[in-house]
Amino acid sequence: GAVVSQHPSWVICKSGTSVKIECRSLDFQATTMFWYRQFPKQSLMLMATSNEGSKATYEQGVEKDKFLINHASLTLSTLTVTSAHPEDSSFYICSARGLGDGNQPQHFGDGTRLSIL
Amino acid sequence: GQNIDQPTEMTATEGAIVQINCTYQTSGFNGLFWYQQHAGEAPTFLSYNVLDGLEEKGRFSSFLSRSKGYSYLLLKELQMKDSASYLCAVIDSNYQLIWGAGTKLIIKP
Repeated sequence: GAVVSQHPSWVICKSGTSVKIECRSLDFQATTMFWYRQFPKQSLMLMATSNEGSKATYEQGVEKDKFLINHASLTLSTLTVTSAHPEDSSFYICSARGLGDGNQPQHFGDGTRLSIL
Repeated sequence: GQNIDQPTEMTATEGAIVQINCTYQTSGFNGLFWYQQHAGEAPTFLSYNVLDGLEEKGRFSSFLSRSKGYSYLLLKELQMKDSASYLCAVIDSNYQLIWGAGTKLIIKP
């Protein structure tokens, strides 16, 4: 149980392209989903927290207009990297937390490796 | 501020036992997680502790002492596939998850 699917796994595209990443909870409902970024050999960095049906909460330093998050249903959240540039190249990982108290574990998708040329 | 400390890197031998420590100072406490992350992959959930004591799950065990702000992850009968980073994360009073930087565990034959 608690499977999270993230798609695509790899994206290679030209600078200026917008990239959309999907995160789905397959066998549970997720009121809260999280988007992380991780650079090589560095820690996970939380970018934003999204709750179903409401606006995402972004961490300090993360541009809302650059990283658009939509959490339209209890099983799907999307992250769109708008006008991506080489410095946006990173490993993006989503996680989902089930219904109930905030002490439920987060379950992670497999991540999306984004390379901007 | 909120802080989680764990060693940056540890080395152990295949078949041995290793203990990875985590100390935390957070505004409130609603539980502690351990995650495993292999290089280039996303983290996977290992354990959750909210009460003091030891939780055993196969070769892995996790211990918590709330009064000391301390937890450890114990890995027994180490296998080469256990080479990974181990992340400690604490839920604070606002149910925010505070992540440690992770401990890279290197297993040698």
